[in-house]
Amino acid sequence: AQSVSQHNHHVILSEAASLELGCNYSYGGTVNLFWYVQYPGQHLQLLLKYFSGDPLVKGIKGFEAEFIKSKFSFNLRKPSVQWSDTAEYFCAVRPHGNNRLAFGKGNQVVVIP
Amino acid sequence: NAGVMQNPRHLVRRRGQEARLRCSPMKGHSHVYWYRQLPEEGLKFMVYLQKENIIDESGMPKERFSAEFPKEGPSILRIQQVVRGDSAAYFCASSDRTDYGYTFGSGTRLTVV
Repeated sequence: AQSVSQHNHHVILSEAASLELGCNYSYGGTVNLFWYVQYPGQHLQLLLKYFSGDPLVKGIKGFEAEFIKSKFSFNLRKPSVQWSDTAEYFCAVRPHGNNRLAFGKGNQVVVIP
Repeated sequence: NAGVMQNPRHLVRRRGQEARLRCSPMKGHSHVYWYRQLPEEGLKFMVYLQKENIIDESGMPKERFSAEFPKEGPSILRIQQVVRGDSAAYFCASSDRTDYGYTFGSGTRLTVV
């Protein structure tokens, strides 16, 4: 079945540590890829997106993601996290020509000061 | 430019009552999407609407759930005869075309008691 997989649902790390969240999808063909962040009690905000071109995408708040087509992956990274990065992070995939986003189950990230 | 507006933020209903959730898209956006978020789950697509048209309702439960996006006014997600399993956060998103990531509202948290 087509799906979006995010592993390690709960991640706890200290400030200044590096963060990498994995996202794998099983859709064939062309896809658009997104990472959203949801701060406690708030709505989802777009961190970054990939449509085409350079597979290394820079987003807001120092986040970046790399699209590796051969691995069907779109991993999110941040070199040095801050306490304010405590949030839930969702990967989403939109198969080309489809109007809906398919979301992974999310990664709950807690940054300890 | 106001974002996607959802109301109410919190809604409590007794079993058997009706829940009505409202979503006003961003100015200039004509595409509206409804998603449901359950604890420890990602967002699940429910329905995609344009003005006066339901484009894709493949994620909607067959019974008790309906959605509309009239020519004038907000999009409405209606849940009739609510049950405890309907308790969730319901998010609305809008876009101006289907090529870009959505803008999400703050959600309505429905609690059925």
